[in-house]
Amino acid sequence: QKEVEQDPGPLSVPEGAIVSLNCTYSNSAFQYFMWYRQYSRKGPELLMYTYSSGNKEDGRFTAQVDKSSKYISLFIRDSQPSDSATYLCAMSLKTSYDKVIFGPGTSLSVIP
Amino acid sequence: NAGVMQNPRHLVRRRGQEARLRCSPMKGHSHVYWYRQLPEEGLKFMVYLQKENIIDESGMPKERFSAEFPKEGPSILRIQQVVRGDSAAYFCASSPARYNEQFFGPGTRLTVL
Repeated sequence: QKEVEQDPGPLSVPEGAIVSLNCTYSNSAFQYFMWYRQYSRKGPELLMYTYSSGNKEDGRFTAQVDKSSKYISLFIRDSQPSDSATYLCAMSLKTSYDKVIFGPGTSLSVIP
Repeated sequence: NAGVMQNPRHLVRRRGQEARLRCSPMKGHSHVYWYRQLPEEGLKFMVYLQKENIIDESGMPKERFSAEFPKEGPSILRIQQVVRGDSAAYFCASSPARYNEQFFGPGTRLTVL
């Protein structure tokens, strides 16, 4: 079993739709959870960062962490064509420094 | 405030040559991480460095790969005697001390002919 699993997609939605992106993980010791967005041929950029369980909202983006189920989600409301990218979930352990483990990414296309 | 810088952006090498990839972290960041991204795969951790120290190189192949982050200058990822399987995008990230937020550079795309 891979440490972090993510449906690679591709996921195609119409503009304005609500998008749900998900990851599951196997290591219950993970404490820090992140979502990165990566445009084609660019480096990943951090979108959301949460610690432990709960929800975090930032504009059109909401990140949810359910540690009991080892499941994290990213919701995008009112999706825009500019949201078309690959979304990578990532997580790390609770230590003074952390090696981040990335999921393989979900490719999202928002159709105008 | 300049972001993480990587150069070159594209690098072509023939089998057996050496590849040197450079990474300049964001200002004030003393932690550098190198990742490799193969097509259709996620980012794979390679090595984590602080100034003049390798903290974790558990993701580095045992042979031909090395990394450094000198007191002055950029971090260098060196690949000796490259093979076609080394073709990938190599990303560098940096972070300030004590935090996990890593800021990525644009990557170096290595092609081995």
